[in-house]
Amino acid sequence: GNSVTQMEGPVTLSEEAFLTINCTYTATGYPSLFWYVQYPGEGLQLLLKATKADDKGSNKGFEATYRKETTSFHLEKGSVQVSDSAVYFCALSDLGRGSTLGRLYFGRGTQLTVWP
Amino acid sequence: KAGVTQTPRYLIKTRGQQVTLSCSPISGHRSVSWYQQTPGQGLQFLFEYFSETQRNKGNFPGRFSGRQFSNSRSEMNVSTLELGDSALYLCASTLGTGVAGELFFGEGSRLTVL
Repeated sequence: GNSVTQMEGPVTLSEEAFLTINCTYTATGYPSLFWYVQYPGEGLQLLLKATKADDKGSNKGFEATYRKETTSFHLEKGSVQVSDSAVYFCALSDLGRGSTLGRLYFGRGTQLTVWP
Repeated sequence: KAGVTQTPRYLIKTRGQQVTLSCSPISGHRSVSWYQQTPGQGLQFLFEYFSETQRNKGNFPGRFSGRQFSNSRSEMNVSTLELGDSALYLCASTLGTGVAGELFFGEGSRLTVL
């Protein structure tokens, strides 16, 4: 089946520190991979995505590379800011048999807190 | 361009009652999906509607139901509420066709069951 495993939080960093949040997946077909972010009191919003192996998604200084050989999609940022404090979710969309565009499989989320 | 709108934002119910939540998707989006978010289970897929038809359903009991109207607005209903139904219910919309892309989420309806 389809599933996503991401590192447990919370993660606490000082401003300008390097961030890595690990994400690995299991999929039955050819998934697209996503990182979503949820700021306090808000819904989820897409941060970046990658639709095929070796693709790199990037946005707002965040990057993640789709690694099929290690079934991973780790999120990285070179220098975090206080405003990056949020919950980050790794997700996959697998349009194989039985799935549809509106169905994403999410990891459990990683709470990131950045201190000034 | 207006985002996904969910109403009500907060509500409190007691066990045994039923609740209806509403979702207005982004204009032009024909697919609406619903997710339940809890601290214990994370984000779980409830169902997806496209052009007024349910085209996918998650592993939830029959107490959870939904529908979609011709204008793509969607409602979900939970009958015979249980304490464990307390959660943030998120609605997401997307065009519904083509390659996998971005889901646009609303801010959610936070349901508390007492």
